[in-house]
Amino acid sequence: ESVLTQSPGTLSLSPGERATLSCRASQTVSSRYLAWYQQKPGQAPRLLIYGASSRATGIPDRFSGSGSGTDFTLTISRLEPEDFAVYYCQQYGSPLAFGPGTKVDIK
Amino acid sequence: EVQLVESGGGLVQPGGSLRLSCAASGFTFSSYAMGWVRQAPGKGLEWVSAISDSGGSTYYLGSVKGRFTISRDNSKSTLYLQMNSLRAGDTAVYYCAKDVGRSGCYDYWGQGTLVTVSS
Repeated sequence: ESVLTQSPGTLSLSPGERATLSCRASQTVSSRYLAWYQQKPGQAPRLLIYGASSRATGIPDRFSGSGSGTDFTLTISRLEPEDFAVYYCQQYGSPLAFGPGTKVDIK
Repeated sequence: EVQLVESGGGLVQPGGSLRLSCAASGFTFSSYAMGWVRQAPGKGLEWVSAISDSGGSTYYLGSVKGRFTISRDNSKSTLYLQMNSLRAGDTAVYYCAKDVGRSGCYDYWGQGTLVTVSS
């Protein structure tokens, strides 16, 4: 079983600032099968990044993903008001697991 | 436009059963694996089950194996989750999700249906 750890638990930033979110896996993520999702209160999750660094359809280029092996990063270059939300990383393929999430809130 | 619409949630007593449905439209349903992901109140996401495009392969979270059954009817573009022997710990919003291909990465999600297990 693979366990994903996300840090920090909460990130307090202002609009326009850069956000850096970390996701660490307890086992090597094969084929870079690592995704990032955004979830706002009362809404379903939204796929942002798959394959560690590929943006999903319609995702703005201020969102970028990087990393390999066991360490991955989601970067939001300049926070827009609509970006304040909870972000989950996910290892897919086999095994499949979600991280506990990072909340990005307004400072 | 891809749409996934779940139904079938509600209040059920411990030990009871529920069947969730997910009606899909806007894509060729039979070409994609599908999954169910749940979220307990105030908690994170937890993958529950997945099924291959043909329905020939199914996968389950350990804690639901033997109690939950995933299935699909490709002629009706509908995904199902039969949940038996429900426990309080199964209380959550259940999301139906479309796989990018067959990997467990989900590019479209339904709005979710709430299952509450309580006496």
